[in-house]
Amino acid sequence: AQSVAQPEDQVNVAEGNPLTVKCTYSVSGNPYLFWYVQYPNRGLQFLLKYITGDNLVKGSYGFEAEFNKSQTSFHLKKPSALVSDSALYFCAVRFNSGGYNKLIFGAGTRLAVHP
Amino acid sequence: GAVVSQHPSRVICKSGTSVKIECRSLDFQATTMFWYRQFPKKSLMLMATSNEGSKATYEQGVEKDKFLINHASLTLSTLTVTSAHPEDSSFYICSASMPKILAGGITFHEQYFGPGTRLTVT
Repeated sequence: AQSVAQPEDQVNVAEGNPLTVKCTYSVSGNPYLFWYVQYPNRGLQFLLKYITGDNLVKGSYGFEAEFNKSQTSFHLKKPSALVSDSALYFCAVRFNSGGYNKLIFGAGTRLAVHP
Repeated sequence: GAVVSQHPSRVICKSGTSVKIECRSLDFQATTMFWYRQFPKKSLMLMATSNEGSKATYEQGVEKDKFLINHASLTLSTLTVTSAHPEDSSFYICSASMPKILAGGITFHEQYFGPGTRLTVT
């Protein structure tokens, strides 16, 4: 069965420090992996995706993620965190079911960046 | 480009009434639309998938008679919560999908998300 795990409910980091938000996945076949960010009472904003090619994917707002097939991970990273990065982050994996491309989301990780 | 809107953004209704939420793709034609539900501080759960002009495919555990989905055109899908109860209170998010051709000729169905609708049933 397809699944996504975000092991941390919350990540706290000081402004200016690097941040990592973890994600591991379980999917049959080649994974399509995504990161989204959600601000309070808002929809999802797309950050980046991995489909194929380079394992290091660069996305919006200075975020990047590294696809690691052997560890089945797709951790989100940023070299220098901003207070404005504080939000809820979701990792997702896409798979095909019944002819549709469906997304399964992780439980979400709340990122808190402190001044 | 690729903007998805939802209307209303917030709605409060009384228990037992029905409420309709619209999802529109504003600048593209969506081959498929998806409806998600998000409980407070929880992840998004896929409720159903719909293609224009055909019946929606519901996920296991989602009552199709309670959550009616109509996908009338390539730019509009509606979710009607019938006979709403307080436990239906939630944040409902739609997404619309369209194919994109990526480098290397790969066809990728990108999903674009709406801003969400906060439903409160009193």
